Amino acid sequence: EVQLVQSGAEVKKPGESLKISCKASGYSFTSYWIGWVRQMPGKGLEWMGIIYPGDSDTRYSPSFQGQVTISADKSISSAYLHWSSLKASDTAMFYCARLSRGVNDAFDIWGQGTMVTVSS
Amino acid sequence: SSELTQDPAVSVALGQTVRITCQGDSLRSYYASWYQQKPGQAPILVIYGENNRPSGIPDRFSGSRSGNTASLTITGAQAEDEADYYCNSRDSSGNPLYVFGTGTKVTVL
Repeated sequence: EVQLVQSGAEVKKPGESLKISCKASGYSFTSYWIGWVRQMPGKGLEWMGIIYPGDSDTRYSPSFQGQVTISADKSISSAYLHWSSLKASDTAMFYCARLSRGVNDAFDIWGQGTMVTVSS
Repeated sequence: SSELTQDPAVSVALGQTVRITCQGDSLRSYYASWYQQKPGQAPILVIYGENNRPSGIPDRFSGSRSGNTASLTITGAQAEDEADYYCNSRDSSGNPLYVFGTGTKVTVL
């Protein structure tokens, strides 16, 4: 079964660092881009960025460039989203999703989401 | 970067047809994909490309495009179709950057 399994919910303080994970299984991890999506409480989906684990090519939405770091470890089929210094405004649900590219691009497999709460 | 605009909310009577639209310049070059999200759940892909449904998605869901507007149509809406729907498309820059629409809340009456 193709699936993405994300790490559990996090509660952190402002200024702390955090790395959440997304572990892939059931397909060739290095052959598909993995994207990250933010959903703030009660709000819509926001596309953050994407990584190709095969060569670690990474692209960011202008809105998130410099705010987060996306990485991947192909030896354990995992992608990561990292903050060096969290803010209260980073409180949100974060999803990873596999991008199926070809004639038609689509995020066909989604993780279950990781809730990040940043509060003093 | 590109923007994709959706109506905030639409309602449909049980068994009737509803069309959800998504407007943006990038849609002149790239097809939209559509995602359904129910409360407390992760989004799922319902339509991609010209009009393709992943396995398990009912055939009452269909997609189309005209100019800068993509549409998702639910023909014979069911109570379980009540959800938020988001379009997504590649950024018009041509890079592998993407953008989500603003989302549409569909209420089935």
